[in-house]
Amino acid sequence: AQSVTQPDIHITVSEGASLELRCNYSYGATPYLFWYVQSPGQGLQLLLKYFSGDTLVQGIKGFEAEFKRSQSSFNLRKPSVHWSDAAEYFCAVVPKFSYIPTFGRGTSLIVHP
Amino acid sequence: KAGVTQTPRYLIKTRGQQVTLSCSPISGHRSVSWYQQTPGQGLQFLFEYFSETQRNKGNFPGRFSGRQFSNSRSEMNVSTLELGDSALYLCASSLETSLVYNEQFFGPGTRLTVL
Repeated sequence: AQSVTQPDIHITVSEGASLELRCNYSYGATPYLFWYVQSPGQGLQLLLKYFSGDTLVQGIKGFEAEFKRSQSSFNLRKPSVHWSDAAEYFCAVVPKFSYIPTFGRGTSLIVHP
Repeated sequence: KAGVTQTPRYLIKTRGQQVTLSCSPISGHRSVSWYQQTPGQGLQFLFEYFSETQRNKGNFPGRFSGRQFSNSRSEMNVSTLELGDSALYLCASSLETSLVYNEQFFGPGTRLTVL
């Protein structure tokens, strides 16, 4: 079945530590890939997206993501986390046959001082 | 430039009632999409409107409907409310249709509680 999975419901990191949030998808053809962030009481904000080409994508707020076709993954990374990064992070895919977005269940990031 | 605004921000209804939510997109944006966010089902796409026409639709029952006006403002209607319709309803706008090539800007959402 076609799906997008974020295996980690919660992740806790210390401020200044590195971060990696995982996203795996299961589609016949590589879909368009996105990462969004949702701060408490806010809507979603696009961090970055991948369509094709360079597998390392740079986004806003110091985030980057790497697309790995062999692993059907699109993991989000940040080298040094700030307390303001505490939020919910969503991976989303848009299949090329439907153009309807599907979101992962989200990963809640907790940042300890 | 003002962001996406949604009204009301909070709403309480009872089962069987109907509800209308409103979304005003960013000025100049012509596409409006609606999403439902619940703890159980996560974030799900409802539908997209562009130039007053529904362009895409997610897997929701016919009780969920929407429309878009000539000024791009959009409304979403849910009839015969069920307890499971309690959710945060998010609206997003983008310049043009195609949710892939046009960045969506999200509003803060309307929190609907069905009692």
